[in-house]
Amino acid sequence: ETGVTQTPRHLVMGMTNKKSLKCEQHLGHNAMYWYKQSAKKPLELMFVYSLEERVENNSVPSRFSPECPNSSHLFLHLHTLQPEDSALYLCASSQDTSGNYEQYFGPGTRLTVT
Amino acid sequence: AQSVAQPEDQVNVAEGNPLTVKCTYSVSGNPYLFWYVQYPNRGLQFLLKYITGDNLVKGSYGFEAEFNKSQTSFHLKKPSALVSDSALYFCAVRVLKTSYDKVIFGPGTSLSVIP
Repeated sequence: ETGVTQTPRHLVMGMTNKKSLKCEQHLGHNAMYWYKQSAKKPLELMFVYSLEERVENNSVPSRFSPECPNSSHLFLHLHTLQPEDSALYLCASSQDTSGNYEQYFGPGTRLTVT
Repeated sequence: AQSVAQPEDQVNVAEGNPLTVKCTYSVSGNPYLFWYVQYPNRGLQFLLKYITGDNLVKGSYGFEAEFNKSQTSFHLKKPSALVSDSALYFCAVRVLKTSYDKVIFGPGTSLSVIP
């Protein structure tokens, strides 16, 4: 395994629900990321955190709300989602945000919005 | 604009034959380049990277990649393909920004190794 875990692995939610995705890294890294992977589309970077501070919010709708309480944990809070938000959500971590270091990915959460 | 491209959506190769997955890039400054692999229902997994030094970089599972500055390419190669190499492959490049150095991913190439 990569040292990055994500829960749940699968999630089905209605458009009016509120749910949260959780990511935890056991690698001692200082940077964490959320990505969205949709079929037939490039990987979309959503948020970047460096030492618990958000450094990138890549024009993501406000119905996605990230939280990074410490350098090991990252959450993505979801509310009033749309069907087009159905995708694989990937969490990743790296030593820092310098771009010098590879990213380690979790297995992802497969989200279906009904 | 800074970018990374993978010109082939799909690559098919017979088991035992050499494989190549292509990647080209356009960035400011010295390129930092990465290859990742994604197996079904899994996250991306790091294979190798080029930061500086030898143009031929060796990575996991027998893969290697050749950095070619004049052609702005970083093609992934393996001398003898295995059926288990069938997966989605992503090239990535570091892009310089003001607040932090972002890594952008190519669209991915699906590799099928035929028994």
